[in-house]
Amino acid sequence: QSVLTQPPSVSGAPGQRVTISCTGSSSNIGAGYDVHWYQQLPGTAPKLLIYGNSNRPSGVPDRFSGSKSGTSASLAITGLQAEDEADYYCQSYDSSLSGYYVFGTGTKVTVL
Amino acid sequence: QVQLVQSGAEVKKPGASVKVSCKASGYTFTSYYMHWVRQAPGQGLEWMGIINPSGGSTSYAQKFQGRVTMTRDTSTSTVYMELSSLRSEDTAVYYCARGVVERFDPWGQGTLVTVSS
Repeated sequence: QSVLTQPPSVSGAPGQRVTISCTGSSSNIGAGYDVHWYQQLPGTAPKLLIYGNSNRPSGVPDRFSGSKSGTSASLAITGLQAEDEADYYCQSYDSSLSGYYVFGTGTKVTVL
Repeated sequence: QVQLVQSGAEVKKPGASVKVSCKASGYTFTSYYMHWVRQAPGQGLEWMGIINPSGGSTSYAQKFQGRVTMTRDTSTSTVYMELSSLRSEDTAVYYCARGVVERFDPWGQGTLVTVSS
């Protein structure tokens, strides 16, 4: 069971901006733990997209950006492109007993 | 470059065990923790546990306590994940992923485990 809540799907036309929310609680995001984001293209393994709330690994386009506030975080994709169609997951650390590392429920991004 | 290569797909009967391997290359094996994450068909990501390749210590998600065992072989830079008492709900793709601080990077290509009678 995912501890972090994301919208099941978001969509946008090419060139548009879309955002994905990730809502947690006081035992994970709200406790100050960093949020990381992963992109999973169809049939492939997840790939790190954003780390430490807002940092992009080398090679990730600056169209992708992340932010965090309180018990939530967001991923924004500006200038949406066809190749951005994928599943996106947020991830953080949780200090409760049920599990240490937690993922979001996942969001499917569709490019119209 | 850093690479994690996992073993091939498995088909198991209910009640059996499965052991998946993950061979690391391109970095110092004992310097980074390794996680295991699974993804059931059409579902999200689920963290299973973590192993410290240096000393072999492990920590498992409560859900898998008593059924999962993670081990490592430093001579071959390989970590293993064994899941026992398999049931149909364990059908999933199992990933290993290197732990960098609190994030996962990179990931192995995944191993499909199918549990079916």
